[in-house]
Amino acid sequence: QVQLQESGPGLVKPSQTLSLTCSVSGDSITTGGYYWSWIRQHPGKGLEWIGDNHYSGSSYFNPSLKSRLTISVDTSNNQFSLKLGSVTAADTAVYYCARRRSYRGVNWFDPWGQGTLVTVSS
Amino acid sequence: QSVLTQPPSASGTPGQRVTISCSGSRSNIGSNPVNWYQQFPGAAPKLLIYTNDQRPSGVPDRFSGSKSGTSASLAISGLQSEDEADYYCAAWDDSLNGHVVFGGGTKLTVL
Repeated sequence: QVQLQESGPGLVKPSQTLSLTCSVSGDSITTGGYYWSWIRQHPGKGLEWIGDNHYSGSSYFNPSLKSRLTISVDTSNNQFSLKLGSVTAADTAVYYCARRRSYRGVNWFDPWGQGTLVTVSS
Repeated sequence: QSVLTQPPSASGTPGQRVTISCSGSRSNIGSNPVNWYQQFPGAAPKLLIYTNDQRPSGVPDRFSGSKSGTSASLAISGLQSEDEADYYCAAWDDSLNGHVVFGGGTKLTVL
């Protein structure tokens, strides 16, 4: 089955760029009908969708994060990545990658990666 | 503040039926299907219900979903202690070029 695994630094300094990668196994990232997504969860809080990208380049972003956000898909390595710039302590969260099924108006996230905690602190 | 509104908590005793509501607007639940996710402490969320009322393989039929207008509900019948978790609703929102919105989550306690 499809599995996703996040990787990247667990500590980022304020004003720097948070960079994470999600490795996909069990299926090709170019399989049709899917977007590759990032979702975060602040400590003790609910889920917040960050954005996602299709291997063709089509993308969607959380309007509140769009100006700081880059999500890219690397088809040669079957992985996708997140870059969030100018981070502050408010960006401290567990970051999940997930596959979003998207076709004929339906959308759902499945599966999810295990999540990785990123702390923004000097 | 989340775009979709859920009660912060719900509870029930073993064997009972509990429901969790999710309220939205015309641009999200009113126009698009709703999905539900289950999350245990320290774990990643898991898809529980998709497209309003569909269960992925492996999800017990004790879990059911429904949608009407701009609201949706998750029902759990025959409540079990292992159902104690956080539950989130989510939907696509057609505004602002399209984006996903989540509910704030409901913590279910089995008494």
